Amino acid sequence: SQQGEEDPQALSIQEGENATMNCSYKTSINNLQWYRQNSGRGLVHLILIRSNEREKHSGRLRVTLDTSKKSSSLLITASRAADTASYFCARNTGGFKTIFGAGTRLFVKA
Amino acid sequence: EAQVTQNPRYLITVTGKKLTVTCSQNMNHEYMSWYRQDPGLGLRQIYYSMNVEVTDKGDVPEGYKVSRKEKRNFPLILESPSPNQTSLYFCASSPGPRDGSNQPQHFGDGTRLSIL
Repeated sequence: SQQGEEDPQALSIQEGENATMNCSYKTSINNLQWYRQNSGRGLVHLILIRSNEREKHSGRLRVTLDTSKKSSSLLITASRAADTASYFCARNTGGFKTIFGAGTRLFVKA
Repeated sequence: EAQVTQNPRYLITVTGKKLTVTCSQNMNHEYMSWYRQDPGLGLRQIYYSMNVEVTDKGDVPEGYKVSRKEKRNFPLILESPSPNQTSLYFCASSPGPRDGSNQPQHFGDGTRLSIL
């Protein structure tokens, strides 16, 4: 499959804990993006990381990229119930197609 | 307010009856795209458009058509819908590519199609 692979498929944690989601892919990329989707809604962009970057931060979010391992991770620190959503990685390989993974469903218990 | 608007939001129809899902964006974006989302499969790209009159196939284009006559609109057409096209559809837009790659996309709220 050309799709990225995310793991875990589902993650359940307590409020205040950190959540880590991983994304692996098979071909080289120009950039990789992370999106959040609340139930039944459209996706919302979180962070874009370019292939020559190793780490980016945005508030409580930290994204890392390891191009040698063809993988990326999204860390949400001090999670809140409002972080409950599905998270997707999406990659661009230099063309204009966008390839999404199957997503990680995160449930944060209050 | 910057937004991508899809219509209808919900549609139940029958096999073979042509339908069009409209998509409009008010951000003057060059790039627009259609995706379908199915359980366990994430989002799969159907078609995308890099600008007016420029469209190309994504990963699952069979059974779909698109057109881009104006910058703001990118309708998705199902000429003869079949039950396997029952899905949740999203339209998205973004500024033109930079450094040869797509930029972050803005998504509509989705259209849930049921083909009986």
